[in-house]
Amino acid sequence: QAVVTQPSSLSASPGASASLTCTLRSGVNVGSYNIYWFQQKPGSPPQCLLRYKSDSDKRQGSGVPSRFSGSKDASANAGILLISGLQSEDEADYYCMIWHNSAWVFGGGTKLTVL
Amino acid sequence: QVQLVQSGAEVKKPGASVKVSCKASGYSFTDYDINWVRQAPGQGPEWMGWMNPDSGDTGYAQKFQGRVTLTRDTSIGTAYMELSSLRSEDTAVYYCARNPSHSGWFDPWGQGTLVTVSS
Repeated sequence: QAVVTQPSSLSASPGASASLTCTLRSGVNVGSYNIYWFQQKPGSPPQCLLRYKSDSDKRQGSGVPSRFSGSKDASANAGILLISGLQSEDEADYYCMIWHNSAWVFGGGTKLTVL
Repeated sequence: QVQLVQSGAEVKKPGASVKVSCKASGYSFTDYDINWVRQAPGQGPEWMGWMNPDSGDTGYAQKFQGRVTLTRDTSIGTAYMELSSLRSEDTAVYYCARNPSHSGWFDPWGQGTLVTVSS
């Protein structure tokens, strides 16, 4: 079982909110981890959006709008990227990443469609 | 501005090696780690390893141990990734990315280098 799992796709309407999940394998406690979120558009490298560990320990990327925010759902053992007020330009692939067993591990990514 | 510029696309035969360069500018090269990440067509990113340009210390993903070597030339602010024993599954875009030590804040990334392995 992969250490980090993301749903492969998600669709949402302009102006709505989208909640992208990054679920950690059982036994890998989300509370202990910094979750990094990246956005990737076709033909470009990923861009770092934000880091979230807790409400008191987080960082927003330079120039990243505040409508992108991070959180965790301990009951689901998951990190969450919330995008509010969806815009067409938010259509992209989103990846989470954690440091686990001395390696950076990416999730498989979620393709967000805004329609 | 802070920038990482990678070398151009490569086409290699199975069994060969490839060496990709990543030239840093706009900051002190030895103040940040360099990571290497690859992305196969239609797939997500896959981390390969990190290097501290100051000390030369490296760490590699288990999958690539013994096949990847990360080096640097501090005199010209350039990092290198060499991957040996290439196979078709190594066809991917290879990226370098800067990060503070012990942080996953990969920013910026290089533009990517497409490596195609084909007979």
